[in-house]
Amino acid sequence: DTAVSQTPKYLVTQMGNDKSIKCEQNLGHDTMYWYKQDSKKFLKIMFSYNNKELIINETVPNRFSPKSPDKAHLNLHINSLELGDSAVYFCASSLGQPEISNQPQHFGDGTRLSIL
Amino acid sequence: AQSVTQLGSHVSVSEGALVLLRCNYSSSVPPYLFWYVQYPNQGLQLLLKYTSAATLVKGINGFEAEFKKSETSFHLTKPSAHMSDAAEYFCAVTPPGEYGNKLVFGAGTILRVKS
Repeated sequence: DTAVSQTPKYLVTQMGNDKSIKCEQNLGHDTMYWYKQDSKKFLKIMFSYNNKELIINETVPNRFSPKSPDKAHLNLHINSLELGDSAVYFCASSLGQPEISNQPQHFGDGTRLSIL
Repeated sequence: AQSVTQLGSHVSVSEGALVLLRCNYSSSVPPYLFWYVQYPNQGLQLLLKYTSAATLVKGINGFEAEFKKSETSFHLTKPSAHMSDAAEYFCAVTPPGEYGNKLVFGAGTILRVKS
């Protein structure tokens, strides 16, 4: 039973296209996240949602739009893909409310996005 | 802003030798600290966490880490390396009281285990 699952695992597409990555967690967690891991393996948070409410929105281009239909799902839509968007995108989730910052985050296996 | 420094982007040890991966954080107020491991083409797996309880924290796979406030460090150790420990290790922090539970990661350390 996968705790945090992302689809697709690999995504290869042309520059200028629009694509979505889906994430689901079955851990009963309240908070979900998107992180970007670049080619040097550096990880940086992009967004966080708590019970469908956006609580973290780092400096990310407007072309990236997260959507949380319910607290078990957090999808990431990317418009007008650029070469620099090539990366591995990780979804994560954690228990508890945003005021409590000591909860570990559980990660999915990542989506490797390659822009041609 | 909170930052995390991992000294040594690559560490190489022999099988059976001590593993020491270094992590230092920047804030004056101790954050919550985590170590994650990433195997090739996989997500991050939590090894252990420090959340202001015991300063010596034991994790999975025989790893442990010691929080030292005076040195602003949270180094990861394992007494005897196995081949299966070869992976990339990330130290991460969340500043206490900061809204949102955001993880700030170090740059990672690739551990190589030689037979």
